[in-house]
Amino acid sequence: EVQLLESGGDLVQPGASLTLSCEASGFAFSTYDMHWVRQAPGKGLEWVSAIGVDVSRRYYTGSVEGRFTISRDNSKNTLYLQMNTLRADDTAVYFCAGRYCSGGYCYPLDYWGQGTLVTVSS
Amino acid sequence: EIVLTQSPGTLSLSPGERATLSCRASQSVSSNYLAWYQQKPGQAPRLLIYGASSRATGIPDRFSGSGSGADFTLTITRLEPEDFAVYYCQQYVNGPWTFGQGTKVEIK
Repeated sequence: EVQLLESGGDLVQPGASLTLSCEASGFAFSTYDMHWVRQAPGKGLEWVSAIGVDVSRRYYTGSVEGRFTISRDNSKNTLYLQMNTLRADDTAVYFCAGRYCSGGYCYPLDYWGQGTLVTVSS
Repeated sequence: EIVLTQSPGTLSLSPGERATLSCRASQSVSSNYLAWYQQKPGQAPRLLIYGASSRATGIPDRFSGSGSGADFTLTITRLEPEDFAVYYCQQYVNGPWTFGQGTKVEIK
C-alpha cells in the first residue's frame, strides 16, 4: 500500500523556520518526482515546490523562492521542505505528492499524503 | 506562468444530473498535460483525469475529460452522492505546476 506521511507542522511566529518531512512507503520513491502543494484554510490548492529524480532539478513558486528549500533523502525514502522567514500567508496544510515519469511522459500527481498544518501567527 | 481559470465557481445539481466543469488556460497547454482532481473536505486531492482525457486507475467511467489547447472540460454524466466535492484542474507541463481555483459541486 502506498503511503506518504507528512510531519513537522506546527504553530510558529512570523520570521521563524520550520522543516517538514514526508516519509514514503509502498512505491519506488527514488524513481518519483516529488512535490509540495499547500492549501490555506478554506482556499484552493497552490503548488509550492518540486524536486526531480535528478535532484539538481528543483522548482519553486515565486512567493517562496529564496525562503523555502526542497530536498530528498532516497536512502530514507523521505522528502523535506525547509521553510525560513515564515509569513502569515504561509499558513496552510502542506501536502506532499509524487508523480512518475516514464518513456518521455510524466504523469500528474498520483500519490498524496494527508497533509500537515503549518500555522504562522504571533 | 500558465493561469488556469475554472468555471463556474459553484455548481448546484441533484444526484443523477450531469455536471459540466470548465477549465481555461491563459496559453495553450502543450501535449495536453492537463489533469483533474477531486477533493472532499478534510481529505487529500485524488487524481481523476490525466492527459486531458485519460481516466486514472479506479476512476468510474461516469467521469470523462475532454478538450485541447487552452480549453478543457470535465464531465460527470450522472452524479452520485459521493461526487459532491471540489474539483481542480492542473497543468503539469513544467514548473510552476499551476492549479485552477476550483469548482464546487454541491447538492441542490
